[in-house]
Amino acid sequence: QVQLLQSGAEVKKPGASVKLSCKASGYTFTSYEISWVRQAPGQGPEWIGWISVYNGNTKFAHKFQDRVSLTSDTSTDTSYLEMRSLTSDDTAIYYCARVGHNYGLDSPYYFDFWGAGTLVTVSS
Amino acid sequence: DIQMTQSPSATSASVGDTITITCRASHIIANYLAWFQQRPGSLPKRLIYGASSLQTGVPSRFSGSGSGTDFTLTITSLQPEDFATYYCLQYNSFPWTFGQGTRVEIK
Repeated sequence: QVQLLQSGAEVKKPGASVKLSCKASGYTFTSYEISWVRQAPGQGPEWIGWISVYNGNTKFAHKFQDRVSLTSDTSTDTSYLEMRSLTSDDTAIYYCARVGHNYGLDSPYYFDFWGAGTLVTVSS
Repeated sequence: DIQMTQSPSATSASVGDTITITCRASHIIANYLAWFQQRPGSLPKRLIYGASSLQTGVPSRFSGSGSGTDFTLTITSLQPEDFATYYCLQYNSFPWTFGQGTRVEIK
């Protein structure tokens, strides 16, 4: 069965960086992409970005494109999100989700499986 | 960027009621819209994709419709487990964007 296993909770100080992981299993990793979403306490989900695991292409929400990097390691079926210059506003649960954008917009594979999320707390 | 506006932001209903949630896109997105349900303390769960296709395993009391800029999620015969927050997401073009959510509360 499809699973996305995310790394454990992180506590960071303002100005620091964090790198989160999302390990996929139960499907062919390179046949789908990974998207990242975050949700601050009491707020709705916010789309961060997308990575094609196959070729490394990425897309970002404008507010994240200068301080977020998305990468993937096909040898371990793991995708990573790195965020720099953290502030308290970055305190949130960060989710990874499977996407099948390469199958076309009519595919059923948009956000069909999600990881359980990683809580990132930014506090001095 | 495409803005997604949901309405209402919150609604109260009773078990057995039918409710409709709307999502309006600031630009045409064809039918590339998904609906998610999120219960407190849980991750979002996809209900609908392609504006009207029901996710496998989701009860048939959930339905989606619409195309272009205006979309609806309808829940008939509300059940206690349906009281949650619902979000739409457009994936027609990057950056993908979520609506702000609709909280469905028990009357």
